[in-house]
Amino acid sequence: SYVLTQPPSVSVAPGKTARITCGGNNIGSKSVHWYQQKPGQAPVLVIYYDSDRPSGIPERFSGSNSGNTATLTISRVEAGDEADYYCQVWDSSSDRVVFGGGTKLTVL
Amino acid sequence: QVQLVESGGGVVQPGGSLRLSCAASGFTFSSYGMHWVRQAPGKGLEWVAFIRYDGSNKYYADSVKGRFTISRDNSKNTLYLQMNSLRAEDTAVYYCAKDSRFRELFPHPFDYWGQGTLVTVSS
Repeated sequence: SYVLTQPPSVSVAPGKTARITCGGNNIGSKSVHWYQQKPGQAPVLVIYYDSDRPSGIPERFSGSNSGNTATLTISRVEAGDEADYYCQVWDSSSDRVVFGGGTKLTVL
Repeated sequence: QVQLVESGGGVVQPGGSLRLSCAASGFTFSSYGMHWVRQAPGKGLEWVAFIRYDGSNKYYADSVKGRFTISRDNSKNTLYLQMNSLRAEDTAVYYCAKDSRFRELFPHPFDYWGQGTLVTVSS
């Protein structure tokens, strides 16, 4: 089955740039979506189809996907960005939706 | 506005059954695929199942296949998850989520989520 690998945690100072990676075999050939989840809340879609941003999501959030790694980039990080972030794909070879294990973003 | 409201969670003994419901409003329910996603306490998200907008196609995670059944009633704007042969490892918050694409065959990003309902499997 297809596996997505994320670092368990990423720390960044306010105002700096956070990069959260999502690794998978030839993930560049798939569409990657990213969700933000704050404690006690449901997930929220922040990036879809690798780099598109839903309405209401700040431009500070961006995404890229190539080769074996997809990346969620958060520029000018704010305290309110502290959350868990999950990548997700549809694996058509197994007909399964796959989530990464999640990355806890800590704003120092 | 889109609303998804889950219900039916609770405490059930191992081997027992439970049916979850998700009441949808604010969009044309019959035109969108729907998902169930769960999250065990302190753990990450785990996709459970998807049903196509017309109910004609369903996909399941290996961990629940053969035990859980996803279904929908488009006349009632409601999504269901029938859970049988429950195990301790099924303990989780269960979310329903709306697929973002209109009348698509396969899953796409989830653009709306409910607040979840807690299922606890314990003796």
